[in-house]
Amino acid sequence: QSALTQPPSVSAAPGQRVTISCSGTYSNIGSQRVNWYQQLPPAAPKLLIHTNDQRPSGVPARFSGSKSGTSASLAISWLQSEDEADYYCAAWDVGLDGWVFGGGTKLTVL
Amino acid sequence: EVRLVESGGRLVQAGDSLRLACATSGFTFTDYDMHWVRQVRGKGLEWVSAVRPANDAYYLGSVRGRFNTFRENVWDTFYLQMNDLRVEDTAIYFCVGERRELGFAFWGHGTQVTVSS
Repeated sequence: QSALTQPPSVSAAPGQRVTISCSGTYSNIGSQRVNWYQQLPPAAPKLLIHTNDQRPSGVPARFSGSKSGTSASLAISWLQSEDEADYYCAAWDVGLDGWVFGGGTKLTVL
Repeated sequence: EVRLVESGGRLVQAGDSLRLACATSGFTFTDYDMHWVRQVRGKGLEWVSAVRPANDAYYLGSVRGRFNTFRENVWDTFYLQMNDLRVEDTAIYFCVGERRELGFAFWGHGTQVTVSS
């Protein structure tokens, strides 16, 4: 069981907006930065959002992150077929003294 | 161009030891914390270990005492020494570079470690 909780799957049609939630505790999300990753198996993951809401260069503005209390969210606007992938949240956990990931959310673009 | 290339993954038996290496290029190695993240095929990501530029290291609880991660800054390379391997250590192991607090920005392609009973 993952330390961070994500829905196993979400789906939406092209052009729509979808959000993926990530729930944790004070020892991780509540007190630390949250990062998001996109993975198109079997490729390696790619950094999508860091520090809760910051996009690395090259990541489209359609991707946005937010955090409130012990939860975080990734929003994807104007869904495109190439957004179909697995998405993971991650945060440092001060109690475990290590990084924790969410279980991952599979996004299906209908 | 940033490159991270893992090596050393193979099929071993439970109780065996194995050393993974990650050769890097294209970025200032000593500006980055380096991590190992693993993934069972078809499953989620699991952080394994991290080593900071001064070689202070952190570990996932289930590998602490069995795994050791260290780096050779002069060669821009870091390692994961895995001892007393268990079947549940079977996974693809990715090496990852993190500019402190800016996320896991650089990923290798992964190397498969398979531990048989």
